[in-house]
Amino acid sequence: EDQVTQSPEALRLQEGESSSLNCSYTVSGLRGLFWYRQDPGKGPEFLFTLYSAGEEKEKERLKATLTKKESFLHITAPKPEDSATYLCAVHGYGGSQGNLIFGKGTKLSVKP
Amino acid sequence: DGGITQSPKYLFRKEGQNVTLSCEQNLNHDAMYWYRQDPGQGLRLIYYSQIVNDFQKGDIAEGYSVSREKKESFPLTVTSAQKNPTAFYLCASSIIGTSYNEQFFGPGTRLTVL
Repeated sequence: EDQVTQSPEALRLQEGESSSLNCSYTVSGLRGLFWYRQDPGKGPEFLFTLYSAGEEKEKERLKATLTKKESFLHITAPKPEDSATYLCAVHGYGGSQGNLIFGKGTKLSVKP
Repeated sequence: DGGITQSPKYLFRKEGQNVTLSCEQNLNHDAMYWYRQDPGQGLRLIYYSQIVNDFQKGDIAEGYSVSREKKESFPLTVTSAQKNPTAFYLCASSIIGTSYNEQFFGPGTRLTVL
């Protein structure tokens, strides 16, 4: 059964304090791994897609990396506006076209 | 601007009532999806559709129904058979190609049962 586990559940950082969020996954052949940002009361905002181990993608202070078992979202010198819940999702070859498996998310708080 | 719209933003339902949530997209995407989000849980797929007049059940379809009469629209009806409908409902869409394509989400509808 495809599964996604995100850690930690919550992370509190001081402004400028770099850190990483983890997404561990079990899937029968990976089609894609997705990172989203979700602000309270809003829909998830797409950040990155990673397709194969070793792949990396960057956007401003965020960098996503992928191995065969996990993905990391590295946040460099975060700012208070980076506070949000970050969601990880996977789509495996064993699943249907529509079936993304989501983790429960990591709630990031960045204090000034 | 291209995007996905959902309405209403907030919806209140009495016990035994059916309610319909609207989802419209102008991204020319072929596929559309409905998810449910509960506190402390990941998003769960209710229904999805890859083409007009066709749709498939997701993991938690019981108590819900959908239609896909137009490419742009994918309304979700929460029926009285859904025992615990209070949740945040998210609509998404994607293109369909030879490789997997990203899903883009609307702003959501928060449904509360009174």
